[in-house]
Parts: sequence; structure tokens; C-alpha cells
Amino acid sequence: DQQVKQNSPSLSVQEGRISILNCDYTNSMFDYFLWYKKYPAEGPTFLISISSIKDKNEDGRFTVFLNKSAKHLSLHIVPSQPGDSAVYFCAAPSGNQFYFGTGTSLTVIP
Amino acid sequence: GAGVSQSPRYKVAKRGQDVALRCDPISGHVSLFWYQQALGQGPEFLTYFQNEAQLDKSGLPSDRFFAERPEGSVSTLKIQRTQQEDSAVYLCASSLESSASVSAQYFGPGTRLTVL
Repeated sequence: DQQVKQNSPSLSVQEGRISILNCDYTNSMFDYFLWYKKYPAEGPTFLISISSIKDKNEDGRFTVFLNKSAKHLSLHIVPSQPGDSAVYFCAAPSGNQFYFGTGTSLTVIP
Repeated sequence: GAGVSQSPRYKVAKRGQDVALRCDPISGHVSLFWYQQALGQGPEFLTYFQNEAQLDKSGLPSDRFFAERPEGSVSTLKIQRTQQEDSAVYLCASSLESSASVSAQYFGPGTRLTVL
């Protein structure tokens, strides 16, 4: 039972353009969401988060949008850079557990 | 180092062999988590420690999996009588806070376990 879903396994974007990564969730009790970035052979690293009391959080080139009614969040990266090429996971904590999506592999083409 | 470290980075085991995976969290971090990540999947929760107390082990897939954190710092995940389906990357993460809901976790690089 996948409570956090990322339906796009991969995405390719030209350098300088916007990357939009999507995430859907089923548990309406989730009230905090995080995005992690993962390079090969490394563990995930925290990127940006958003509380359910907000609908947007921005940090430099990264912005996360939350649509609670649709149970949907998205990560926007603009402008995209080749170093952004990685797998991106969205995650939501509940109790003592974190629920992760299956990840989206982003490739930024120079 | 300042980050979470895990050892070994790679482990190949024969089916039926016992393995022990080690995690050194960031110093002072209260919470420690273990995850299993299969190929092409996201990390899946195994167990959670708050200091030395194992508060949640609901994600452990069978009684062959056992985790401990006896002094509230280093943790070991032990898998007995390994099976091929145990092949995965095992990730350890720690966080400063005692609640998973309010802080981000810092992950180690993982241990890739391959069971032949």
C-alpha cells in the first residue's frame, strides 16, 4: 500500500529550463512533506520541506508547492543545472515512520 | 566525520549466512532509523530508535531481522539466515529531534547487501 507515489520514474530537461517533479499521497493525516535528492552510491540528502499550513516554500532555485485538496505536491527547480541530475524522492512522516515515494530520476541535459 | 557513516559499504553473503550491518549516526542525534531500499524503489522503513530504546520495529520483514542500539549511539542491524530477497541497500538515518515528524533525517551512504 503505497501512501506516497511518484508516478514518473524519469524526467529529462534542458539546462536552464524548469524541472517539475510531482508527488501524490493518499493519507490525509500527513502534515509535513520533504524532498530528498540522491546521487548514485550515496544516501539521500535533504533538499526542502513544507508544512501543511503552507502551500508554497521556496529556497533558492527550489520551490515546493502543496495542494492539500488534491493531495499533491510538486518540486520546481529553476533554472535546472546539470548538477541537479539525480533521483528525487518525496517523503512524508507519520508517527515514527517516514513514507517515501519510488523516486523520479532527473537528467538535466547541458 | 560529521555525517552518518555505515559499514561495510558492500556485503556479499551466501544464502543462509548471518550478516551484521553497522551505523554510526551523527553525534548527539537522538533518533536513528533503518530503511531497506530495493532496486528501483524508495526507502522502506524497518525500525526506529530513540536513544537506546527501539520504539518501532513494525517494518522488520521477519524475525530474522534484528536491530540494536545498546548505548544510544552506534546501531547494528543483524540479518540471520539471509535469503535472496534480502538483497537490497540498507540505509541508516539519524535526526536530532526525538520525533520523526518535525525534522529532516540525515542518511548514511548505505550498505549494499547481495545474497547469492
